[in-house]
Amino acid sequence: DAGVIQSPRHEVTEMGQEVTLRCKPISGHDYLFWYRQTMMRGLELLIYFNNNVPIDDSGMPEDRFSAKMPNASFSTLKIQPSEPRDSAVYFCASSLTGPQGRDGYTFGSGTRLTVV
Amino acid sequence: AQKVTQAQTEISVVEKEDVTLDCVYETRDTTYYLFWYKQPPSGELVFLIRRNSFDEQNEISGRYSWNFQKSTSSFNFTITASQVVDSAVYFCALSSPSGYALNFGKGTSLLVTP
Repeated sequence: DAGVIQSPRHEVTEMGQEVTLRCKPISGHDYLFWYRQTMMRGLELLIYFNNNVPIDDSGMPEDRFSAKMPNASFSTLKIQPSEPRDSAVYFCASSLTGPQGRDGYTFGSGTRLTVV
Repeated sequence: AQKVTQAQTEISVVEKEDVTLDCVYETRDTTYYLFWYKQPPSGELVFLIRRNSFDEQNEISGRYSWNFQKSTSSFNFTITASQVVDSAVYFCALSSPSGYALNFGKGTSLLVTP
């Protein structure tokens, strides 16, 4: 399996622009998570889905952030409008059964977002 | 609420030394799961181990070992005979059936020098 695939790997955008990050989970995994990593706040959960349904979006910072999972093989995280404080590495992860599974959660390589 | 504390921000050792990374957790759940992840300089997050709250047996995998003690709410990670390739940031994380997401500690940056 190719693992969790994220695109783009790097994104540089100007403040105010819309940014869309993409994720393809491992086939058959029922859980998908979006995390953000910054030096100040570490790894924070933004939102997670189970069977394409958003379960917990309490970590989404504000209305500028939205996430969708239109099918089992694709998810997007959109920021509109983007701000410099959104600069971070955004990770997508997927899991077959959640924490009960012995294989943990598989993370993608991340998208490094820079908003100037 | 769940919380993971990794009090050691940075550790520096010389190759072949043993090093222990500490992890202390807080949770009200009786069933929970503990994880360790490695983040090398390349940036990806690599799964190392998962432990459930009912299994306190220590685990060894090559040079890596993990000590889980419910009495002290700790899940420590030891690298024996460290190598330069072990240089990375190591994260401890906690999850439970009441909230499937991983709650991460702040991480410990390990530098192994030749």
